[in-house]
Amino acid sequence: DSGVTQTPKHLITATGQRVTLRCSPRSGDLSVYWYQQSLDQGLQFLIQYYNGEERAKGNILERFSAQQFPDLHSELNLSSLELGDSALYFCASSPWTERNEQFFGPGTRLTVL
Amino acid sequence: GDSVTQMEGPVTLSEEAFLTINCTYTATGYPSLFWYVQYPGEGLQLLLKATKADDKGSNKGFEATYRKETTSFHLEKGSVQVSDSAVYFCALSTNAGKSTFGDGTTLTVKP
Repeated sequence: DSGVTQTPKHLITATGQRVTLRCSPRSGDLSVYWYQQSLDQGLQFLIQYYNGEERAKGNILERFSAQQFPDLHSELNLSSLELGDSALYFCASSPWTERNEQFFGPGTRLTVL
Repeated sequence: GDSVTQMEGPVTLSEEAFLTINCTYTATGYPSLFWYVQYPGEGLQLLLKATKADDKGSNKGFEATYRKETTSFHLEKGSVQVSDSAVYFCALSTNAGKSTFGDGTTLTVKP
């Protein structure tokens, strides 16, 4: 158990809909990262927050957004969903940002029908 | 930009065989290097890490040495077990706070 929690575990929705994925980092960790893992594209970095502020952006679509709240939990919002958004979404956390390892949650499996 | 290149998989070995998964990187600055493992149906977990040149990370019989001159961090294990079957990711993290992962290498160990 990494100490990172993600909800829900599974999510099934329809094209065009909007969903919110939630992540609670390990106690004391200030950084949160979001990743998308699909079968054909491996692990794609989406976005990183540090202590409530956006720190780095990866291959995140404009239809996706995220935020980190004062209690350090984070939410990833996915809108206007398409079939191709079906994937595993992982959250990870770390104490700070520089040169440290990340602790991954169990993931949310999103299926868009 | 930063990048991590891993040996392409999948890799299939018999139990007790020797394992090497190659990893090379390019990075601005002086990165820390990591190997993560993902077992079926789970998230990634840290396997080992190295933070400076010539450091050797080790865990559960796996080893990797930070080679600055060849920008490599190859993963090795002397004798694999069926329970080592998983996807292995090489990754780096820089002073700028950016993390970059390789594409992952799927290992299957047969009894």
